[in-house]
Amino acid sequence: GIQVEQSPPDLILQEGANSTLRCNFSDSVNNLQWFHQNPWGQLINLFYIPSGTKQNGRLSATTVATERYSLLYISSSQTTDSGVYFCAVERSGRSQGNLIFGKGTKLSVKP
Amino acid sequence: NAGVTQTPKFQVLKTGQSMTLQCAQDMNHNSMYWYRQDPGMGLRLIYYSASEGTTDKGEVPNGYNVSRLNKREFSLRLESAAPSQTSVYFCASKAGGYNEQFFGPGTRLTVL
Repeated sequence: GIQVEQSPPDLILQEGANSTLRCNFSDSVNNLQWFHQNPWGQLINLFYIPSGTKQNGRLSATTVATERYSLLYISSSQTTDSGVYFCAVERSGRSQGNLIFGKGTKLSVKP
Repeated sequence: NAGVTQTPKFQVLKTGQSMTLQCAQDMNHNSMYWYRQDPGMGLRLIYYSASEGTTDKGEVPNGYNVSRLNKREFSLRLESAAPSQTSVYFCASKAGGYNEQFFGPGTRLTVL
């Protein structure tokens, strides 16, 4: 099956710093989503981005489908950005329609 | 719009007990999913329903059953709970085709 690898697994930042999270996937995809799982366990949709670039405030994401990777940029990080960031993909072709998740990047932002 | 709702939020069971996790969505979505999340892991698919009246197994279906009660509701049943089913369970839905999935708040289940 398709493999989804995220890096780095852990990241510690000082408030105000910028960061880039990476997601590599092993096969063609028709859907890619980034999620933030907050410390209370809730999964928050950040981006639906099967290709191209999107921005939402201090966050932006880029997916290069032909090279099978996606990047999530966090600028001017805040303590509320702490949590786990997941990349998830839906495989192209005959698919159950479910998302395959990476293991996540755990981000800690220190004040 | 409440989005995707799940009940209960927390549950503790003893080995061998049964229970049903409830999920409902008010976005008129066709497809619904049940995932589980174990510590340090991403989510894995248990069962899904591509449309009302259909259900199918995902990656980790053993020990579970599902019912797509109507377009809005998709329940997950544990017939005889085991400690290995201690996990956080998430329900999700999407409109169908290649679209964004939306997740409920999760149910934290502990089996003693």
